[in-house]
Amino acid sequence: AQSVAQPEDQVNVAEGNPLTVKCTYSVSGNPYLFWYVQYPNRGLQFLLKYITGDNLVKGSYGFEAEFNKSQTSFHLKKPSALVSDSALYFCAVRDGVSGNTPLVFGKGTRLSVIA
Amino acid sequence: NAGVMQNPRHLVRRRGQEARLRCSPMKGHSHVYWYRQLPEEGLKFMVYLQKENIIDESGMPKERFSAEFPKEGPSILRIQQVVRGDSAAYFCASSARQGLGEQYFGPGTRLTVT
Repeated sequence: AQSVAQPEDQVNVAEGNPLTVKCTYSVSGNPYLFWYVQYPNRGLQFLLKYITGDNLVKGSYGFEAEFNKSQTSFHLKKPSALVSDSALYFCAVRDGVSGNTPLVFGKGTRLSVIA
Repeated sequence: NAGVMQNPRHLVRRRGQEARLRCSPMKGHSHVYWYRQLPEEGLKFMVYLQKENIIDESGMPKERFSAEFPKEGPSILRIQQVVRGDSAAYFCASSARQGLGEQYFGPGTRLTVT
């Protein structure tokens, strides 16, 4: 069975500092990994995905994530945080062996960027 | 290209009433997924449908909940005889027929059962 762990409920970072939001996963086949962001009272917005290829994936709004197969991790990063990045971030995985299978989400990490 | 649309955005029902949530996928998308989000929690998969077919309903409660995606019209998530525990945000997502792509989410329907 697939699973995702986001070990931090909350991450606080000062504006302009680099940020990291952690994610580890478990999947039986090849992992397809995703990051989504949710602003208050809104749906989820897609940030980036890893399917295959380069381990460093670049996404929207300056975010990037690094796929690490040996550590089964897919941490989200940004070199310089903005106050507007404050939101709820979800990591998700699905098994790449199957077709359009459902995503399994982590519980989310609330990012707070302080001016 | 309009995104995934859900309506209503907010729905209030008394215990015992029925709730009907609608989802129109993105144009060209034939795969629809329903998720439920409880306060301060992640999204939990409920059901996956393609046109006229339920592909995976492993996350949906066996009683009171049903879903459909007819040949014409939106996908419907129906909750009969709602209880307070059904209060949550319900999100619909869609993906394209082919590809390994991401799911695009609608804005959600926030159901409150009083």
